[in-house]
Amino acid sequence: IQLTQSPSSLSASVGDRVTITCRASQGISSYLAWYQQKPGKAPKLLIYAASTLQSGVPSRFSGSGSGTDFTVTISSLQPEDFATYYCQQLNSYPLTFGQGTKVEIK
Amino acid sequence: EVQLVESGGGLVQPGGSLRLSCAASGFTFSTYSMNWVRQAPGKGLEWVSYISSSSSTIYYAASVKGRFTISRDNAKNSLYLQMNSLRDEDTAVYYCAREGREGYNWNYSFDNWGQGSLVTVSS
Repeated sequence: IQLTQSPSSLSASVGDRVTITCRASQGISSYLAWYQQKPGKAPKLLIYAASTLQSGVPSRFSGSGSGTDFTVTISSLQPEDFATYYCQQLNSYPLTFGQGTKVEIK
Repeated sequence: EVQLVESGGGLVQPGGSLRLSCAASGFTFSTYSMNWVRQAPGKGLEWVSYISSSSSTIYYAASVKGRFTISRDNAKNSLYLQMNSLRDEDTAVYYCAREGREGYNWNYSFDNWGQGSLVTVSS
């Protein structure tokens, strides 16, 4: 199953609302997770089951979607949110990740 | 606190072998399925392999099948990845990752990751 994220990168300002899209090549129900990765660090789980916020993750992050189309939204971008974001499908093996979306400071 | 600590990375020549380890602590390792995920320099994440809690079920990515072997020792709280016939394209940081849970059920995520171990394949 291929996952295509868009955009591949974006520039935004603190306080902006940011939305990243992940499209699956076939239906994956809600078996999708979102991760945040900062340079030199391991990925951090943000959202699982497409829309469930991982414990400890700020409520400005939200996820939605099912089937083939998914989004993660940051309602008000904070300085610590500048990072690369990956979606992952866990519907079937081999598990796959999207190519990543880099969120940069405008 | 959950901790996953990888070790065993380093420089190896093409065609060589290396064994990665992941030491787990802070949770009941024997009840969790585990995974290896890698990231080539400047590239995205690539899932490599999965092993169930009892080692009864194992999966591999096509890119490593037949060359890599995942295993675990629940008595030692450790996960392993034996990598043989290494190629230049295997150069990456390798992460071990734990399955996420809600109660006793997998919640379809990887909720804890190690810091990674760098494997460089080069002559």
